[in-house]
Amino acid sequence: HVQLQESGPGLVKPSGTLSLTCAVSGGSISTNNWWIWVRQPPGKGLEWIGEIYHSGSTNYNPSLKSRVTMSVDNSKNQFSLKVTSVTAADTAVYYCVREGVGAAFDIWGQGTMVTVSS
Amino acid sequence: DIVMTQSPDSLAVSLGERATINCKSSQSVLYSSNNKNYLAWYQQKPGQPPKLLIYWASTRESGVPDRFSGSGSGTDFTLTISSLQAEDVAVYYCQQYSGTPPIFTFGPGTKVDIK
Repeated sequence: HVQLQESGPGLVKPSGTLSLTCAVSGGSISTNNWWIWVRQPPGKGLEWIGEIYHSGSTNYNPSLKSRVTMSVDNSKNQFSLKVTSVTAADTAVYYCVREGVGAAFDIWGQGTMVTVSS
Repeated sequence: DIVMTQSPDSLAVSLGERATINCKSSQSVLYSSNNKNYLAWYQQKPGQPPKLLIYWASTRESGVPDRFSGSGSGTDFTLTISSLQAEDVAVYYCQQYSGTPPIFTFGPGTKVDIK
């Protein structure tokens, strides 16, 4: 069965760039699914960041669009997230997710905590 | 922008009793092309990622106990836990999908505890 695993630095300096990668195992990324990033600040709710298809097509949350870039590497079966000009407000657990039937998020990674601090 | 609200913010229910959570969308999530409501429900336990319970407003995800059910259409939806179990203590989120361009929005969450 498909599993997702996030990786990347746990600490990013203010004004820097947050970079995360999600490795997909147990299945191909080149399926009829969109691949999602969601974040959750400590003690708060969930926020959709954006999504990418294996073709490279993307859709981003308008509130983050100016700072977000997603990419996909089909040969490595992984997809990535970059958020530029980060502030403390970007401190959160970042999840990579698969979008399944009904545009619902059916498979989640365990999440990775990213702290923005000097 | 579509805004999702949930009520109550939290509730405490006795074991074996019914728990009901409401979710309201500021715009309809019913798509006339396939008559489906793009509304999902998730359960999140402390230190864990969310888990999909319900999609298309009322379709239970594989492996989800049948004490969980979803209902509603258009803008008003309900998640019901028919007989609360200890393992159901969690925060529950609703989430909508709107297309063109695609945007996903979560509700603020409802915390369920044992009374």
